[in-house]
Amino acid sequence: DQQVKQNSPSLSVQEGRISILNCDYTNSMFDYFLWYKKYPAEGPTFLISISSIKDKNEDGRFTVFLNKSAKHLSLHIVPSQPGDSAVYFCAASLYNFNKFYFGSGTKLNVKP
Amino acid sequence: DVKVTQSSRYLVKRTGEKVFLECVQDMDHENMFWYRQDPGLGLRLIYFSYDVKMKEKGDIPEGYSVSREKKERFSLILESASTNQTSMYLCASSTPGTGGNTIYFGEGSWLTVV
Repeated sequence: DQQVKQNSPSLSVQEGRISILNCDYTNSMFDYFLWYKKYPAEGPTFLISISSIKDKNEDGRFTVFLNKSAKHLSLHIVPSQPGDSAVYFCAASLYNFNKFYFGSGTKLNVKP
Repeated sequence: DVKVTQSSRYLVKRTGEKVFLECVQDMDHENMFWYRQDPGLGLRLIYFSYDVKMKEKGDIPEGYSVSREKKERFSLILESASTNQTSMYLCASSTPGTGGNTIYFGEGSWLTVV
């Protein structure tokens, strides 16, 4: 059973608008969360992360929000750009544990 | 700069062949991983290793084995390739959990089994 879920396989957004990608998890012990971006035929690249002691982390146009009570995190991209078109994976891990659990990914298409 | 290198980007192999996928990292990371990515299924963990000569099964180890003789190198072996192993394979590495470790990926190896 998947412990990290991304229920939207795809998302289409107009350039300049906000993109919101969502992720849910089931294991309340997860304490570190990451977002990765993947272009076709390339490996995923790290985008942004958040520790469970925070509820928000910002890096330029990218902000990750964590709602521990709902076991939900989201990635906001503002403003969206065509170069943001990619598959986005969320991931979760446990403190001092060596495994990462990935969602199934959301394909973002930013239209010019 | 962080670097995980997968030796083969594109391979075509025949059913029943033994296939080796090689991965090298230059970050002195203890942990190394092999994932496969399939549409709609995301990244699924095949095997991981937390030390030289140590390995643990991931979620889908059947049909695969691994080898880690040196810290920087982690090999994935398909003992007898089958068509359902056609996929993109991703190698990754990370440091042990310190409350904020990040996993770094290679560029991926596209394997087609015919």
